[in-house]
Amino acid sequence: RKEVEQDPGPFNVPEGATVAFNCTYSNSASQSFFWYRQDCRKEPKLLMSVYSSGNEDGRFTAQLNRASQYISLLIRDSKLSDSATYLCVPDYTGRRALTFGSGTRLQVQP
Amino acid sequence: NAGVTQTPKFRVLKTGQSMTLLCAQDMNHEYMYWYRQDPGMGLRLIHYSVGEGTTAKGEVPDGYNVSRLKKQNFLLGLESAAPSQTSVYFCASSYSETSGASHEQYFGPGTRLTVT
Repeated sequence: RKEVEQDPGPFNVPEGATVAFNCTYSNSASQSFFWYRQDCRKEPKLLMSVYSSGNEDGRFTAQLNRASQYISLLIRDSKLSDSATYLCVPDYTGRRALTFGSGTRLQVQP
Repeated sequence: NAGVTQTPKFRVLKTGQSMTLLCAQDMNHEYMYWYRQDPGMGLRLIHYSVGEGTTAKGEVPDGYNVSRLKKQNFLLGLESAAPSQTSVYFCASSYSETSGASHEQYFGPGTRLTVT
C-alpha cells in the first residue's frame, strides 16, 4: 500500500469555485504534513505546513484528521493561477527525507 | 538570498558522456537532496546528504554519484549517461532539528537533461 494516496484528477473547476482535495496516509507515525504546489515543468513550492489539526492561509485551508488518517486541502474562490498539481507530503518522525507522490492536478477554467 | 540554485538549467548529452550538476543553497541548511522527475510522475529521491562530507542513497541511486564537500554545495554526477536518465533533476535543501528530523524542503528550479 502506498504511504500516501491522492486522486490524480484532473479536477476541472470554474473560476470562483471552492474545491477540496483529500489525501489519505497509511503510516500513523507522521508528525506533520506539507502541501506543495507544482506548476507544469517547475519546481515544487511549499504551500502550507500542517503541524496540528489544521492550518489556514488566506483562501487555503488544510485540515488533518488523525483518527481517519487523512488530510484535506480546501481552496476557496479559485483563481486561474491556482491551476497546478498539489502534493500532499507527510513528515515522518526520524526520517531524513520526504516522500513525494504524484499529487492531484487542478485546472481552473475561465 | 537566492535560496536554492542549480547549474545548468538545460543540457543535452550523448550516451556515454559524463556531466556534473551543481546545486547551491545559501540558507545554511544541513540537509540536501537530489530528485529526478519523469513526465507525469512524482519526484524520486536519488541521493541525499545530512551534512558536509556525508551522503546516502535514496530510492533510485544507480548510475549517479554525489559529493558534499562544502555545506552549501551538493553535486550530482553522471559518469556514463544513458537515455533512461533523461529527466528533470531537482535539488532541494532543508534545515534539521538536533534530533535529526528534517523539515520542509525548498527546491531549486531544476535541470532539464536529455540523453540521446
